Amino acid sequence: EVQLVQSGAEVKKPGESLKISCKGSGYSFTSYWIGWVRQMPGKGLEWMGIIYPGDSDTRYSPSFQGQVTISADKSISTAYLQWSSLKASDTAMYYCARRLSSSFDYWGQGTLVTVSS
Amino acid sequence: NFMLTQPHSVSESPGKTVTISCTRSSGSIASNYVQWYQQRPGSAPTTVIYEDNQRPSGVPDRFSGSIDSSSNSASLTISGLKTEDEADYYCQSYDSSNLWVFGGGTKLTVL
Repeated sequence: EVQLVQSGAEVKKPGESLKISCKGSGYSFTSYWIGWVRQMPGKGLEWMGIIYPGDSDTRYSPSFQGQVTISADKSISTAYLQWSSLKASDTAMYYCARRLSSSFDYWGQGTLVTVSS
Repeated sequence: NFMLTQPHSVSESPGKTVTISCTRSSGSIASNYVQWYQQRPGSAPTTVIYEDNQRPSGVPDRFSGSIDSSSNSASLTISGLKTEDEADYYCQSYDSSNLWVFGGGTKLTVL
């Protein structure tokens, strides 16, 4: 069974760093792109970027380029999304999802990130 | 980059048919596949249509997708509406640089 299991909710202060994770199982982790999607409170889905764990090829949405870093550790089948300096506007639910051709076929359960002083 | 524009909300009665549109701002709607996702409150999205008009296994055939090059838009049609179809629906596509875009989402109310 394909599963993407994300790390738990985080509460951080502005300026702090953060790295959240997405662990894949039940399939060949290195053979599928993993994407990250932001959903701010009460808002829609926003595509942030995507990584191919097989060779760490990464693409970013222009809106998120330079704001976050996407990485992966194929030895432990885990993808990451990280911030070096959080802002209150980073408060959102973050989903990872597996790409199959032109769509996302499996999604993680989401990680809620709250940034507040 | 391009945008995908959806109506903010639609509503219809149980048993009826509803269509949600998704209009591409630039570039041809036919040049890259369109997907549709359903998101119920408090849950992660799930795919209901991929590659314009394909249904994943487990999605009822009440859900169908199409594209219309004349209006440069895609549509999700749900027939025989059920209360369980009440959710947010998002279209998604991509460009030649493999950058993906989601539409703003449409809230479907079944009343």
